[in-house]
Amino acid sequence: RKEVEQDPGPFNVPEGATVAFNCTYSNSASQSFFWYRQDCRKEPKLLMSVYSSGNEDGRFTAQLNRASQYISLLIRDSKLSDSATYLCVVGNNNDMRFGAGTRLTVKP
Amino acid sequence: DGGITQSPKYLFRKEGQNVTLSCEQNLNHDAMYWYRQDPGQGLRLIYYSQIVNDFQKGDIAEGYSVSREKKESFPLTVTSAQKNPTAFYLCATRGDGTYSNQPQHFGDGTRLSIL
Repeated sequence: RKEVEQDPGPFNVPEGATVAFNCTYSNSASQSFFWYRQDCRKEPKLLMSVYSSGNEDGRFTAQLNRASQYISLLIRDSKLSDSATYLCVVGNNNDMRFGAGTRLTVKP
Repeated sequence: DGGITQSPKYLFRKEGQNVTLSCEQNLNHDAMYWYRQDPGQGLRLIYYSQIVNDFQKGDIAEGYSVSREKKESFPLTVTSAQKNPTAFYLCATRGDGTYSNQPQHFGDGTRLSIL
């Protein structure tokens, strides 16, 4: 079993749709959780941290479920510019584990 | 990410050749990391350094070497012992290692290919 697993997609959605990604992790001692977005042939860029109580940043909402060991990312009112690969990152300090990413394509 | 500069952007390696990838940062971050990204896989840690003159192996250190002589710089050498070097190499930094919830920030990467 991989340490961090994501549905690779692709998710193809129309503009304005709501889309959700999940990411499961195997290390129950993990304390740090992040979502990054990565555009084609570019570096990952931090989208948001994920806090225990859940957190929101505009159209983006992140949740953490420690009991079931997964994090989620919800994107509301999808824009064309949201098309990218979304990476979840889970771990502690210098031992961060990256998911392979979920590819999202938002279509007009 | 602003403040982290990787060079070159593209690099080609001949058989038996060592090549060095540069990573420089002006963020005053203590921790620096090297990752490798292959298609369809998550980033894998090669080496990391929390402080000058100290570094630790990651999951796939074989065939690679690093140095940390200055806080700002963490070069990665891909040696001839690395038989499958073709990948996208990403350097990252993280501020204040005391707090585990600080995210990593990435440079714009180097694409290495074999000639």
